[in-house]
Amino acid sequence: AQRVTQPEKLLSVFKGAPVELKCNYSYSGSPELFWYVQYSRQRLQLLLRHISRESIKGFTADLNKGETSFHLKKPFAQEEDSAMYYCAATSGTYKYIFGTGTRLKVLA
Amino acid sequence: DAMVIQNPRYQVTQFGKPVTLSCSQTLNHNVMYWYQQKSSQAPKLLFHYYDKDFNNEADTPDNFQSRRPNTSFCFLDIRSPGLGDAAMYLCATSRDPSTNEKLFFGSGTQLSVL
Repeated sequence: AQRVTQPEKLLSVFKGAPVELKCNYSYSGSPELFWYVQYSRQRLQLLLRHISRESIKGFTADLNKGETSFHLKKPFAQEEDSAMYYCAATSGTYKYIFGTGTRLKVLA
Repeated sequence: DAMVIQNPRYQVTQFGKPVTLSCSQTLNHNVMYWYQQKSSQAPKLLFHYYDKDFNNEADTPDNFQSRRPNTSFCFLDIRSPGLGDAAMYLCATSRDPSTNEKLFFGSGTQLSVL
């Protein structure tokens, strides 16, 4: 079955510390991977996607096909990074599979 | 700004009383989706419309229906809400899923069933 797994429900780090939010996927074919973010009282929105290879707000994510992972990283966390992060996958169809999300808390 | 708008933000209904949630978009996207999200769970796809073509997920209960009268609007009808249907309902759109386009989400409607 197609699945996206985010093993951590909550991740707390101190401001300035590195952050890594884990995402693993089980998917047939070659999926496109995304990270979506939901800040407090805001809608879910795209943070970055694998294919564009962008760095958004200092975040990057590398697709590791061998480990079927797409971990989200940032070298120095900021307080404004506190949010809910969802990893998602799709493969050219209508269906996007989401992980259960990781709440990131950046402590002052 | 072009966007996806969901009304109302909060909806309270009674057990068994039909309820309709609405979603509109100004993006002119082909695809509109309805997701159900319960606390601490992943958003779960209920169904989607590709233009006028309705696609139901196999595990979506019959209690849930949808209508898309035109490109801009899509409705979620819950015929007889049960306590287990209390959740956040998210509407999303995409332009062309065949090219792995990103999803645009509305703010969601939080449904409570009393």
